[in-house]
Amino acid sequence: KNEVEQSPQNLTAQEGEFITINCSYSVGISALHWLQQHPGGGIVSLFMLSSGKKKHGRLIATINIQEKHSSLHITASHPRDSAVYICAVRGSGGGADGLTFGKGTHLIIQP
Amino acid sequence: EAQVTQNPRYLITVTGKKLTVTCSQNMNHEYMSWYRQDPGLGLRQIYYSMNVEVTDKGDVPEGYKVSRKEKRNFPLILESPSPNQTSLYFCASSLDAEETQYFGPGTRLLVL
Repeated sequence: KNEVEQSPQNLTAQEGEFITINCSYSVGISALHWLQQHPGGGIVSLFMLSSGKKKHGRLIATINIQEKHSSLHITASHPRDSAVYICAVRGSGGGADGLTFGKGTHLIIQP
Repeated sequence: EAQVTQNPRYLITVTGKKLTVTCSQNMNHEYMSWYRQDPGLGLRQIYYSMNVEVTDKGDVPEGYKVSRKEKRNFPLILESPSPNQTSLYFCASSLDAEETQYFGPGTRLLVL
């Protein structure tokens, strides 16, 4: 079973700072997801990666399959980015494997 | 509007009283899944379904049942709820198991 570790657990930064959240996993995967959970509880899927890099607005996600590691970057951070960011992986069995989640990174961006 | 809906959003019940949490999606997605979220443990998968009449256990299936008789609906059934099933529950769906998942708003359940 995959072990998914996220770091840091908690992060407080000032508006405008460049943010990096890390995710590492123990066993080969078919895909990695980054999710955002708002203070109200709703969950939104930000990215799904199986290789390389994806960018959406100020968010960038990268994955290194050989090192079993992914990063989520936020450029020019803003208080509305304050949320819990969750990494989730699907095993290399593809759809036959469920998702395993990290415990999340609680991000606070102060004005 | 494309969405995943869950009902009820909040529920307080007592031990042993059967309950069903409904989940419905209007995106014609094949893959649906139930998760529970607990402080300190994060999200964990309960059951998932890759298509109609196809369901499989996730990491924490004990005490739960599901069914997938129609593509759009995937109800979660607690036959005899216990206090350790107090949690925040999310339903999600996607085109298939490999695609981006869309989450419902969550159901907060308290079992007394």
